[in-house]
Amino acid sequence: EVQLVESGGGLVQPGRSLRLSCAASGFTFDDYAMHWVRQAPGKGLEWVSGISWNSGTIAYADSVKGRFTISRDNAKNSLYLQMNSLRAEDTALYYCARVPFGESHFDYWGQGTLVTVSS
Amino acid sequence: DIQMTQSPSSLSASVGDRVSITCQASQDISNYLNWYQQKPGKAPKLLIYDASNLETGVPSRFSGSGSGTDFTFAISSLQPEDIATYYCQHYDNLMSTFGQGTKLEIK
Repeated sequence: EVQLVESGGGLVQPGRSLRLSCAASGFTFDDYAMHWVRQAPGKGLEWVSGISWNSGTIAYADSVKGRFTISRDNAKNSLYLQMNSLRAEDTALYYCARVPFGESHFDYWGQGTLVTVSS
Repeated sequence: DIQMTQSPSSLSASVGDRVSITCQASQDISNYLNWYQQKPGKAPKLLIYDASNLETGVPSRFSGSGSGTDFTFAISSLQPEDIATYYCQHYDNLMSTFGQGTKLEIK
């Protein structure tokens, strides 16, 4: 069974850092690009960042560029998001999602981890 | 950056109705357009990929069409379990943009 399980969310003060993790199982992890997508409370979906299967290509939304860093460890079947200089507007449910190699859609999503940035 | 404009933002229809949602890209995106369904408290679910391909296991009452800049998502006969928010999405070369979403309600 395919599973993507996010963790690492929580309450953090503005300006501080947080590291999210996404543990993958039930499929060959390095056959997929991986992404982070977030959803602020009551709002729509916002793509955050993506990483290719071998970490050779990485992309970020303008809203997080320079503050967030995506990475993956294929040996551990894990995806990460290091979030620095957090702002109130980063408050959201953060999902990880996968894209099959050569495809252009997110075919499976995790259930998300909630990040709340507040003093 | 490519912008995706989705409409309407909300829609109320009766069981059995045909409903449709449109998504317009700010530039030609070929057929790189996907549609997702999100029910309250749940993760999004892929319904349609590459503009018109039905994801495995998705009921055939869902469909998608279009290419270039204009795309349409339709439900041929609305069912109570279709109550959700629907999003279009463009994805290309590791970058992605979502439409604003359409909240579908039963009249």
